[in-house]
Amino acid sequence: DAGVIQSPRHEVTEMGQEVTLRCKPISGHNSLFWYRQTMMRGLELLIYFNNNVPIDDSGMPEDRFSAKMPNASFSTLKIQPSEPRDSAVYFCASSLRRGGDETQYFGPGTRLLVL
Amino acid sequence: SQQGEEDPQALSIQEGENATMNCSYKTSINNLQWYRQNSGRGLVHLILIRSNEREKHSGRLRVTLDTSKKSSSLLITASRAADTASYFCAGMDTDKLIFGTGTRLQVFP
Repeated sequence: DAGVIQSPRHEVTEMGQEVTLRCKPISGHNSLFWYRQTMMRGLELLIYFNNNVPIDDSGMPEDRFSAKMPNASFSTLKIQPSEPRDSAVYFCASSLRRGGDETQYFGPGTRLLVL
Repeated sequence: SQQGEEDPQALSIQEGENATMNCSYKTSINNLQWYRQNSGRGLVHLILIRSNEREKHSGRLRVTLDTSKKSSSLLITASRAADTASYFCAGMDTDKLIFGTGTRLQVFP
């Protein structure tokens, strides 16, 4: 199994530009999570999907952030326009929801730097 | 913030010693999980303990859970240099994990 795949692994962009992060979950998993990790705020859950449906987006910081999951094998997290304070490592994770004891499998992350 | 707290924030030990990390959480949980993160990598699941369990073992790992105190501990016995990483606890709140702030463990050979 290839595990959770994220792209790009690194992204450097200028303030105001649109950034799109991509994630391919583990085949067969039905839940997908987007996290952001910074030194100051630690690991924050941004949004998660069950069966491709967004369930909780209360962690999405602002309207500049949006996430989609058009099918079971692909999700995007978009930031438009990007700002320097968005610089962080963004992780995607997936799990197989089966009634409470799910463990999450994390991708390698996308390291985003907004100048 | 619902985020849990971990203690200590950083821990340095010699190979062969035991490492103990503590975690406190704020909400009711279905289970508590521990994850490990090597520098520059994603998190990897280590062990899960259910809310009706008090102690669980897996290899060199021992986890305890006290739901009355909303706290958990992770013990790594006979540590190795390869155990150097950050360790995070995460409480399962319905169907999402709430992660703690993490403990950075450094094991010197």
